[in-house]
Amino acid sequence: SQELEQSPQSLIVQEGKNLTINCTSSKTLYGLYWYKQKYGEGLIFLMMLQKGGEEKSHEKITAKLDEKKQQSSLHITASQPSHAGIYLCGADIKSQGNLIFGKGTKLSVKP
Amino acid sequence: GAVVSQHPSRVICKSGTSVKIECRSLDFQATTMFWYRQFPKQSLMLMATSNEGSKATYEQGVEKDKFLINHASLTLSTLTVTSAHPEDSSFYICSATGTVSDTQYFGPGTRLTVL
Repeated sequence: SQELEQSPQSLIVQEGKNLTINCTSSKTLYGLYWYKQKYGEGLIFLMMLQKGGEEKSHEKITAKLDEKKQQSSLHITASQPSHAGIYLCGADIKSQGNLIFGKGTKLSVKP
Repeated sequence: GAVVSQHPSRVICKSGTSVKIECRSLDFQATTMFWYRQFPKQSLMLMATSNEGSKATYEQGVEKDKFLINHASLTLSTLTVTSAHPEDSSFYICSATGTVSDTQYFGPGTRLTVL
């Protein structure tokens, strides 16, 4: 079974709208990573969260890790076409360093 | 910040040949490197974990004789796809962690196409 659930699988939003992507695990997350991937290109690291309740922001993107450290959300404010791509969460659930990944969320932003 | 490079970024080879992919940590010592494979429209799949100076640990279902991993130094790990076949075509990504923190840094990936 998938240990890291990411939702939604795909998302189409109008430019300027806000959106949220979720990443949920049934196990404690020792480290939660958010990545962005443009088609055919490598992963771009966005943010890493480790502490329960932690929140980080980069430009218009905010990521949070809940207190129980089992769920993370990625929120984009006032989306732009440049935000389009596949967003991927990765998590360390065994505290051994290797990551498991969600299946990704394909984001399209309509001008 | 920590940088991990991969070479080559793209490679096309004929079926039956072997291909070597390099993963380098440019400004830190990578005690552990991970190799992932990404199938089209799917998430990354961990193939193996390699620690400097020791044999790689392969995930279930990954053929260690086909995907040879060498982590000879603290800044370099290599993945060799031996006798490549079209089904090996994929996007291969490495990541590395250092001695200072648990943060995992990813390489940009290598697109392998086997004809």
